[in-house]
Amino acid sequence: AQKVTQAQTEISVVEKEDVTLDCVYETRDTTYYLFWYKQPPSGELVFLIRRNSFDEQNEISGRYSWNFQKSTSSFNFTITASQVVDSAVYFCALSVPTSGTYKYIFGTGTRLKVLA
Amino acid sequence: DTGVSQNPRHKITKRGQNVTFRCDPISEHNRLYWYRQTLGQGPEFLTYFQNEAQLEKSRLLSDRFSAERPKGSFSTLEIQRTEQGDSAMYLCASSLVGAGQGTSEQFFGPGTRLTVL
Repeated sequence: AQKVTQAQTEISVVEKEDVTLDCVYETRDTTYYLFWYKQPPSGELVFLIRRNSFDEQNEISGRYSWNFQKSTSSFNFTITASQVVDSAVYFCALSVPTSGTYKYIFGTGTRLKVLA
Repeated sequence: DTGVSQNPRHKITKRGQNVTFRCDPISEHNRLYWYRQTLGQGPEFLTYFQNEAQLEKSRLLSDRFSAERPKGSFSTLEIQRTEQGDSAMYLCASSLVGAGQGTSEQFFGPGTRLTVL
């Protein structure tokens, strides 16, 4: 069975602090994809990053960075110098080739509050 | 706007009534997904279409739920005899997956929030 765990329900930080959102996944498939999405108060899920299981290279995009470690089945997301606009719910998702669907299995999300 | 659109954005209905939601995906996308999201949870997969073919349905999709994508473009999700437990946000997503390509990121619409009284 596939599963995504985001143990942090809610995190509050003060603006300009760095914050890391944890994501642990479970799957027996050797081919899979991991994603992070942002859901601001407006409700629309915004795509942030995709990573496939064969690419463990970490990625940085502006203030965002992602750390993928297959050894610990983790795909953590760090925001550097957080801003109030980063306040949102962040979801980690797993996609596996079950029946060719590649449907997403989402975690329960982490609500990030960045205080001014 | 060339993103995924959903209508209506909000729907309030009485228990036992039927409701229908519409999703217009990004025009060139061949895959369309429906998810349901309840408060404090992540979205849960309901069903998916490859062009006009509905290829998988979750066990969450009871017999009261039906989805169509008649011409491989827009899709509708109908819930018959609504129950209070159906209250949720219904999300639509689309993606473009080419031949031999495993997956692609899904682009989500703003959702339809259903409240069943």
